[in-house]
Amino acid sequence: EVQLVQSGAEVKKPGESLKISCKGSGYSFTSYWIGWVRQMPGKGLEWMGIIYPDDSDTRYSPSFQGQVTISADKSISTAYLQWSSLKASDTAMYYCVRQDSGWLPFDYWGQGTLVTVSS
Amino acid sequence: DIQMTQSPSSLSASVGDRVTITCRASQSISSYLNWYQQKPGKAPKLLIYAASSLQSGVPSRFSGSGSGTDFTLTITSLQPEDFATYYCQQSYSIPRTFGQGTKVEIK
Repeated sequence: EVQLVQSGAEVKKPGESLKISCKGSGYSFTSYWIGWVRQMPGKGLEWMGIIYPDDSDTRYSPSFQGQVTISADKSISTAYLQWSSLKASDTAMYYCVRQDSGWLPFDYWGQGTLVTVSS
Repeated sequence: DIQMTQSPSSLSASVGDRVTITCRASQSISSYLNWYQQKPGKAPKLLIYAASSLQSGVPSRFSGSGSGTDFTLTITSLQPEDFATYYCQQSYSIPRTFGQGTKVEIK
């Protein structure tokens, strides 16, 4: 069974750093892209970026380029989303998603990681 | 970036109704259009991909159509478990972009 299991909820202060994770199982982790999607409270879905774990080829949305870093460790089938200095506006639910190559959709989603940034 | 615009933003419908949601892209995206369903407190779920292909396990009352810039998600005979928010998303180019969502509520 394909699963994407994300790390637990986080409460952080503005200016702190954070790295959240997404562990894939039940499939060949290096054969699929892993992406990240943000959902701010009461709002819609925003695509942040995507990584191909086999060679770490990474693409970012211009809206998130320079604001976050996406990485992956294929040896432990885990992708990461990290911030070096959080802002209150980073408060949101973050989902990781699996995507096959090219134009294919996000066929599996993680359960989500809620990040709360508050002083 | 390709802008995706859904209409309506919300609708009220009764069990058994036929519901249609539209999605318009700011430029042609061929058939690279996907639909997702999100229930409160849950992760979104893929319903339709490539405009009209039903994801495995999704009930046949869901269907999609369209190509180019105009697309439609149709739910025939709305069921209680279908009350949710629906999003379209283009997979034609990066950045992938979503519509703003359509909330389907109980009348």
